[in-house]
Amino acid sequence: QSALTQPASMSGSPGQSITISCTGTSSDIGNYNLVSWYQQHPGKAPKLMIYEVTKRPSGVSNRFSGSKSGNTASLTISGLQAEDEADYYCCSYAGSRTWVFGGGTKLTVL
Amino acid sequence: EVQLVESGGGLVQPGGSLRLSCAASGFTFSRYAMSWVRQAPGKGLEWVSAITDNSGSTYYPDSVKGRFTISRDNSKNTLYLQMSSLRAEDTARYYCAKESDSSWTNWGQGTLVTVSS
Repeated sequence: QSALTQPASMSGSPGQSITISCTGTSSDIGNYNLVSWYQQHPGKAPKLMIYEVTKRPSGVSNRFSGSKSGNTASLTISGLQAEDEADYYCCSYAGSRTWVFGGGTKLTVL
Repeated sequence: EVQLVESGGGLVQPGGSLRLSCAASGFTFSRYAMSWVRQAPGKGLEWVSAITDNSGSTYYPDSVKGRFTISRDNSKNTLYLQMSSLRAEDTARYYCAKESDSSWTNWGQGTLVTVSS
């Protein structure tokens, strides 16, 4: 069960859009439409932002959107705001009731 | 409001054991699968165990299989993680999380486990 691959860090200016990638394999991302994304601020618990690749939980801003192509999933944040500065983790179902996370991406809002 | 409150963390020697608990409230606990997810200091998230709503099945990654046991008591709305043969690499904050739609919709604040001599 290898971790999914995310860029270690990304940055953007307020108002810009950024896209965080998450690359897996045909055994996880490529085989299931069960990718989720979590936001984590320092010292806080993770928060679900996207589930089942594209769905947003109630209360999550529509500035957050998800997509998938082949073995790679993506999280796009539009209209970047200072409060979006956080760590972001992707996660995929990997079969047999197992899950695998990405290594995380530290997003800095300049 | 969904609340998940973990407890039971602390300092333990390598090779030792520890049992974590997670008290759930604000939802019908017996209807949901639950998981434990951990985060080593300064590192990323790692899923470490899952249990179905009725305790019928449990699941683990290879990194903890045979050493960790997840269980639940639906009459007490409580989730457990029994950890044995602990190693330094098990040092982490352990979160319990409520599962829905193959994702974790609610998380506790976590309990810190430190494995050190």
